[in-house]
Amino acid sequence: GENVEQHPSTLSVQEGDSAVIKCTYSDSASNYFPWYKQELGKGPQLIIDIRSNVGEKKDQRIAVTLNKTAKHFSLHITETQPEDSAVYFCAASKEQAGTALIFGKGTTLSVSS
Amino acid sequence: DAGITQSPRHKVTETGTPVTLRCHQTENHRYMYWYRQDPGHGLRLIHYSYGVKDTDKGEVSDGYSVSRSKTEDFLLTLESATSSQTSVYFCAISGQGIPTDTQYFGPGTRLTVL
Repeated sequence: GENVEQHPSTLSVQEGDSAVIKCTYSDSASNYFPWYKQELGKGPQLIIDIRSNVGEKKDQRIAVTLNKTAKHFSLHITETQPEDSAVYFCAASKEQAGTALIFGKGTTLSVSS
Repeated sequence: DAGITQSPRHKVTETGTPVTLRCHQTENHRYMYWYRQDPGHGLRLIHYSYGVKDTDKGEVSDGYSVSRSKTEDFLLTLESATSSQTSVYFCAISGQGIPTDTQYFGPGTRLTVL
């Protein structure tokens, strides 16, 4: 089955710097890749997603890139702010209803001011 | 929060007792999911439902059962709770007005089995 590896497990940056989190997946049939942000005591919040027919997607300070040949995708956060501090999860699935999202183990991002 | 509530939000119980967690949604989503979150494992799918009375197993279904008698409610039952089921449980939905593969999560239930 699908396996998703996520790196790094922790990431500390200064406010205003960029942060990059990388994920690799094993199943070439996966074609939907969402990213979630989880704050302490809350449920995962979808922040951006990408599908296999797209190489890059941006939403304000957040961008995701996908390389299907290499089976990896990355989250880029620019101009980080203290409120970006949270745990970020990548996931992969086969882009159909009822399919499990297979999650990476998460990255704890700390943004210091 | 995609109109999802979970109850209870916190529960402490003893080994061997039955426990039922409830997920309630208000937006008529067809698909509902139960995940558990554990340190070092991320989130893993327990069971999911694709309609009233239609359910299927996920990756970590042993020791859990589910029921969905109404569109809005998806129940997760631990018939006889064990310490290994201490976890945070999240419900998710997809389907109504959003791509069916896009899942939105509820606030979670923290379960402790002593």
